[in-house]
Amino acid sequence: QVHLQESGPGLVKPSEALSLTCSVSGDSMRSYYWSWIRQSPGIGLEWIAYISHTGDTNYNPSLKSRVTISVDTSNNQFSLRMNSVIAADTAVYYCARGTIFGVAHDAFDIWGQGTMVNVSS
Amino acid sequence: QSALTQPASVSGSPGQSITISCTGTISDIGTYSLVSWYQQHPGKAPKLLIYEDNKRPSGASNRFSGSKSGNTASLTISGLQAEDEAEYFCCSCAGGSMSVVFGGGTKLTVL
Repeated sequence: QVHLQESGPGLVKPSEALSLTCSVSGDSMRSYYWSWIRQSPGIGLEWIAYISHTGDTNYNPSLKSRVTISVDTSNNQFSLRMNSVIAADTAVYYCARGTIFGVAHDAFDIWGQGTMVNVSS
Repeated sequence: QSALTQPASVSGSPGQSITISCTGTISDIGTYSLVSWYQQHPGKAPKLLIYEDNKRPSGASNRFSGSKSGNTASLTISGLQAEDEAEYFCCSCAGGSMSVVFGGGTKLTVL
């Protein structure tokens, strides 16, 4: 059974960088896209980025300038770094596994439980 | 890329059927047959209900069905149950870069 677990600090100061890691257990990272998605309090879901096991990436255009996604297949992990955070980046951050249709992202079939990140001084 | 458009809320009585719409553009829903739907209960992670417009993953209830016409996708829930009260999100592949876009979510109330 595949399991995803997010980890990282729950509190980040404005203008600093947010770093999160997702640990994948129960399956190989091959043949899927691995995403970060966030949900601000009371707001809907926002896709941030995905990465393949080979390191191919795709970013939300509105966040691309501040975000880097990376993968470590030897440890079955992938990570998110978001620079210059502001209060509006306060959200629950989920990692999720994405199935692939051809070369396109299909659906998020497995989700982590989510981790709350507060941006505050 | 713009978010897909969903109604903020819908409601129905137990046993009834309801439909939630998800409107996009020719650049997302209108081009890709890759609409997915998710159910989210408060404090929980979303759960996949429908993928590739109208396919159900193993384990998903057959009371949930998906369809699409033009730039609009729909999720229908038949035989409403109290446990269906949740928020529902649509999602699609979008644009030439094949990024991902979500709808704003629809809160379902079972009366």
